[in-house]
Amino acid sequence: GAVVSQHPSRVICKSGTSVKIECRSLDFQATTMFWYRQFPKQSLMLMATSNEGSKATYEQGVEKDKFLINHASLTLSTLTVTSAHPEDSSFYICSASRRVETQYFGPGTRLLVL
Amino acid sequence: GDSVTQMEGPVTLSEEAFLTINCTYTATGYPSLFWYVQYPGEGLQLLLKATKADDKGSNKGFEATYRKETTSFHLEKGSVQVSDSAVYFCALNTDKLIFGTGTRLQVFP
Repeated sequence: GAVVSQHPSRVICKSGTSVKIECRSLDFQATTMFWYRQFPKQSLMLMATSNEGSKATYEQGVEKDKFLINHASLTLSTLTVTSAHPEDSSFYICSASRRVETQYFGPGTRLLVL
Repeated sequence: GDSVTQMEGPVTLSEEAFLTINCTYTATGYPSLFWYVQYPGEGLQLLLKATKADDKGSNKGFEATYRKETTSFHLEKGSVQVSDSAVYFCALNTDKLIFGTGTRLQVFP
């Protein structure tokens, strides 16, 4: 299967700072990338969908100014958590897709905001 | 709205035991159904899928049948191995993927 990487795998930051998470598709060109958030013992919740070269589509209840998504190329999408607070601590997972119903997932990034 | 419910874990089994992980769904329309597996330290991987009623998805000895009448997609394996220890997610897809909460499977020798 296709390989998707995320960087960093784990990050700890102070409250009020911004954190950038990278998602890369290593061996294919992803027309669409997705960002999910997972709370402990809960399911993955879709945050936003991004297509290369266009603005991301955010799910209801997700603040677009808080979670900035950039999909600059067919192999890279970034999620920036701006002015992070402890309630933003979570596990963030990206996936990349080249056709409908086939998503390849990254290993996730654990964010801890102190 | 659309949703997926799967049994809570952890499920603890001895090697070669029979596995069932229950999954039921609520959806308008006719979703595709999936099982994903997440091994420690890795991303979710598609295990199997079914796109319409009565379809059976299968892979690596795992099976699940799309049951429209009971809105279920239970995962089964006849004989589990230690290497099957992972977290299993049931999911449906209408216009986006909706996941269950995941079930951790622990298989002991």
